[in-house]
Amino acid sequence: DAKTTQPPSMDCAEGRAANLPCNHSTISGNEYVYWYRQIHSQGPQYIIHGLKNNETNEMASLIITEDRKSSTLILPHATLRDTAVYYCIVRSSNFNKFYFGSGTKLNVKP
Amino acid sequence: GAGVSQSPRYKVAKRGQDVALRCDPISGHVSLFWYQQALGQGPEFLTYFQNEAQLDKSGLPSDRFFAERPEGSVSTLKIQRTQQEDSAVYLCASSPRAAWLAGTTDTQYFGPGTRLTVL
Repeated sequence: DAKTTQPPSMDCAEGRAANLPCNHSTISGNEYVYWYRQIHSQGPQYIIHGLKNNETNEMASLIITEDRKSSTLILPHATLRDTAVYYCIVRSSNFNKFYFGSGTKLNVKP
Repeated sequence: GAGVSQSPRYKVAKRGQDVALRCDPISGHVSLFWYQQALGQGPEFLTYFQNEAQLDKSGLPSDRFFAERPEGSVSTLKIQRTQQEDSAVYLCASSPRAAWLAGTTDTQYFGPGTRLTVL
């Protein structure tokens, strides 16, 4: 029961902003959206999360639409080290589970 | 401090063998999660522990899968009579507080995973 849909891959030029979209049209009112990334052969790494307000931290910004059916992760100045698979995740309302999708493979090119 | 560690990093088993995968969470973390990640797919939830209590095992794919955390720290995921479809990376994650208490505040810290290959 996939809860998120993401494009399988995206390219981005080094130094430019990377905008990664995610659809989560069946999200419930009290479910949060999380973003993690996974670099090859490593475990997923937390990036950011939000409920309905836009969020920003030192790594990225998260823009959530007003109807909460989609969101966009923004890496403001992508570097080669940002090449990874980015997962948009809906967290269950009892907080026990993360529902990962298939992720977006972001290729940052020089 | 040390992060989440898992051992072994790689395991090759013959079909029908039993395997045991170990997870050492961050010291003091209450919550522990196991995920299964098939090749090219995102991780899928298997089970959740709050201290030694297994509160959610809804993701375990069959009764061949068993997890325990007897003293509320180290956890072991055991797979009996392994099948080829069990081949995957098994990820462990921990977080500081109980899930219901922490709500969305605590994030999950993942280990590097154990890659299981069943021949």
